[in-house]
Amino acid sequence: DGGITQSPKYLFRKEGQNVTLSCEQNLNHDAMYWYRQDPGQGLRLIYYSQIVNDFQKGDIAEGYSVSREKKESFPLTVTSAQKNPTAFYLCASSILLLPGQGKEGYTFGSGTRLTVV
Amino acid sequence: GQNIDQPTEMTATEGAIVQINCTYQTSGFNGLFWYQQHAGEAPTFLSYNVLDGLEEKGRFSSFLSRSKGYSYLLLKELQMKDSASYLCAVRNLMGGATNKLIFGTGTLLAVQP
Repeated sequence: DGGITQSPKYLFRKEGQNVTLSCEQNLNHDAMYWYRQDPGQGLRLIYYSQIVNDFQKGDIAEGYSVSREKKESFPLTVTSAQKNPTAFYLCASSILLLPGQGKEGYTFGSGTRLTVV
Repeated sequence: GQNIDQPTEMTATEGAIVQINCTYQTSGFNGLFWYQQHAGEAPTFLSYNVLDGLEEKGRFSSFLSRSKGYSYLLLKELQMKDSASYLCAVRNLMGGATNKLIFGTGTLLAVQP
């Protein structure tokens, strides 16, 4: 079955360390996204990519980095520059649409909960 | 700018009907989505509206008025398992092929016996 996989489900990081969250999809989707969710808050966009080897900053990109070397993979690195990294991180993927086309939204991964210890 | 507003929390009784409202301000509206998210899990798709009117799917319905920048999600015959966050998201027209969604903060619904 096609889907999107995030790993690990839980991750603990010491202050000052970089950590990388994995996101893999086999849906043949062109676009992939990383969101951060804090308690009681909505999803905030960190980075997104619409094509291999290209990505764009979202609303809260500072302290994060990404790469898109393969269509299937969009890893997110949380660097030591991110001052408050404890959060629930969601990866999503989608097809690309021209205006007015289709109702396809996002397929989400199951999330990674990152905690700084 | 872009702005999406939803109530933070709502409480309803099992078997009842509840309406969750969403208002938005955005340039280049290109569709509105509702997602359900249980605690610690991924959001799952509930509904999509791009034209004005009501879309019905079983116990769930979603309404859109583009002129008012307003949508609601209607849940009928509430069940305990409907206790979750409900996320409103708007898709923007950005030029070219795209599918970027902007999410509201979500409404946490508690269904009580």
